[in-house]
Amino acid sequence: GAVVSQHPSWVICKSGTSVKIECRSLDFQATTMFWYRQFPKQSLMLMATSNEGSKATYEQGVEKDKFLINHASLTLSTLTVTSAHPEDSSFYICSGGMRGSWGSPLHFGNGTRLTVT
Amino acid sequence: DQQVKQNSPSLSVQEGRISILNCDYTNSMFDYFLWYKKYPAEGPTFLISISSIKDKNEDGRFTVFLNKSAKHLSLHIVPSQPGDSAVYFCAASTGGYQKVTFGIGTKLQVIP
Repeated sequence: GAVVSQHPSWVICKSGTSVKIECRSLDFQATTMFWYRQFPKQSLMLMATSNEGSKATYEQGVEKDKFLINHASLTLSTLTVTSAHPEDSSFYICSGGMRGSWGSPLHFGNGTRLTVT
Repeated sequence: DQQVKQNSPSLSVQEGRISILNCDYTNSMFDYFLWYKKYPAEGPTFLISISSIKDKNEDGRFTVFLNKSAKHLSLHIVPSQPGDSAVYFCAASTGGYQKVTFGIGTKLQVIP
């Protein structure tokens, strides 16, 4: 099946620093990438949607200047958490989909556990 | 406002018996429903789906039932196996896979 590779799987950073998370679709062209965040005992919450070659669309309440998303190619999307703070500590996960594939399930990466100290 | 609700955080079932995981939704615009399974330290993997034009979809041991009038769907696993132990997420979307909304998940434990 389709594979999405997400790195790193976990990262610890100091408050005020930036962290970049990468998602690569290994065997399909991800025209759309979705970035989710999950806090403990909560559901996966969509943060933003990015289409290859265009700006990301952010969900309400998600700061676009803090969570920078780049989807420069059909196989790579990145999420950069800028000036991270302890409240940004969470589980971040990406998923990829193909344009025109109505009803096709998303393919998820394994997620990144971010801890900001 | 949680549009997809999984009210049972956990479920324990004996091996060989049926597992029934429930999900309710509030948004009547949802027309596509999915179940994902997630093991620790891994991303969710797609399990089974159903569109709103159907009320049942079956794939091996897994069957999803949809009751649109009640805005309720359920996942049946028969027979349950220890390898089915995982967190199961119910998800829904409008117009395809775009902007899928997830429930909080139900942790299933199948006891050998």
